Amino acid sequence: GEDVEQSLFLSVREGDSSVINCTYTDSSSTYLYWYKQEPGAGLQLLTYIFSNMDMKQDQRLTVLLNKKDKHLSLRIADTQTGDSAIYFCAEVYNTDKLIFGTGTRLQVFP
Amino acid sequence: NAGVMQNPRHLVRRRGQEARLRCSPMKGHSHVYWYRQLPEEGLKFMVYLQKENIIDESGMPKERFSAEFPKEGPSILRIQQVVRGDSAAYFCASSPRADSYNEQFFGPGTRLTVL
Repeated sequence: GEDVEQSLFLSVREGDSSVINCTYTDSSSTYLYWYKQEPGAGLQLLTYIFSNMDMKQDQRLTVLLNKKDKHLSLRIADTQTGDSAIYFCAEVYNTDKLIFGTGTRLQVFP
Repeated sequence: NAGVMQNPRHLVRRRGQEARLRCSPMKGHSHVYWYRQLPEEGLKFMVYLQKENIIDESGMPKERFSAEFPKEGPSILRIQQVVRGDSAAYFCASSPRADSYNEQFFGPGTRLTVL
């Protein structure tokens, strides 16, 4: 079945690193994504990783993929208050729909 | 190039009324997806359409919900005889193609409140 799980909350101090974790079930997914949702807004694609990669870095963002364990993580370096939002991981299922995780609410405090 | 547009942004309906949600994809995108987000939950896939065709409606409730994407004009998600449980944010996304990459661009959503 299709199921993507995330922890619900993460609280970090400004300037620290944040690590958001995700587990997925569809081993045939070729791409995995991280989206950011700010209050009252739509989803913004942050980054993605292709399934034959195990790491991708994009400025302050680092994505790690452990395909054997079906585990995906997003690390945000030097977390800022503007990073406070809900973060969703998602996998492509059947090359059409995205299956989203439950979302992790990141709170950054000064 | 304008992004995905949805209207209205907020919609209030009484139980039993109809709700019509509109989505205009990005220019050049012929693939449209509708997702529903219940309060404090993630997004759930509802339906995937190409121009004039429904490709995958596996996430659509069997009754009261319908979707279309006509040759001209926006995609419409229609909910008949709304109930309180339909209160949610409805997001539309579009993409230029359907393949394994499938980057989907999301609209700002329509927040439906059923009284």
